[in-house]
Amino acid sequence: QQQVKQSPQSLIVQKGGISIINCAYENTAFDYFPWYQQFPGKGPALLIAIRPDVSEKKEGRFTISFNKSAKQFSLHIMDSQPGDSATYFCAAGSSDNTNAGKSTFGDGTTLTVKP
Amino acid sequence: NAGVTQTPKFQVLKTGQSMTLQCAQDMNHEYMSWYRQDPGMGLRLIHYSVGAGITDQGEVPNGYNVSRSTTEDFPLRLLSAAPSQTSVYFCASSYSGRGPLGEQFFGPGTRLTVL
Repeated sequence: QQQVKQSPQSLIVQKGGISIINCAYENTAFDYFPWYQQFPGKGPALLIAIRPDVSEKKEGRFTISFNKSAKQFSLHIMDSQPGDSATYFCAAGSSDNTNAGKSTFGDGTTLTVKP
Repeated sequence: NAGVTQTPKFQVLKTGQSMTLQCAQDMNHEYMSWYRQDPGMGLRLIHYSVGAGITDQGEVPNGYNVSRSTTEDFPLRLLSAAPSQTSVYFCASSYSGRGPLGEQFFGPGTRLTVL
């Protein structure tokens, strides 16, 4: 049973466009929702994260939208640039002592931004 | 501050051989994890540790052993390599203090091929 479902698997966007990646989770115990960015040959790196007490978080061109009732969250990349081309993973985790630092990941979305 | 380091970067094994993937972090993080990344399957948790002397199984633990004798090191042992263990392996660490609880810092990965 996959606890975090991510879509789409791949995405092609023109430079300047908006990239949108969606994730849905099942476990209501999750209370931490990070997005990771991974470039080829590198390890994932935290991009932005949100907790369920807010519905939106924005950092520069990157925004997370969170819908607790629907158990869904999404990443929006505004004014997408070729340098944003990477694989993006959503994840979900729990901050209780047993599970803190242990995240469940989506399958990833490969984003290509065309010049 | 080197962050999370992993050795080796690349490894080729024959079926049945054993080896240890090394992981070290210099951030004094309590939590450390091992993931494997396969195409289209995201990151899957192999084993997990919440501190020295404490380890737990993740989603796909079979065929792997871990130990955590120090805060800094978290080696992953393949007991008898199988072709199904061909993958990219990532080590990650996170801290338990206040702040972005759950943010994981990933190493650069070890690309393992089992023939």
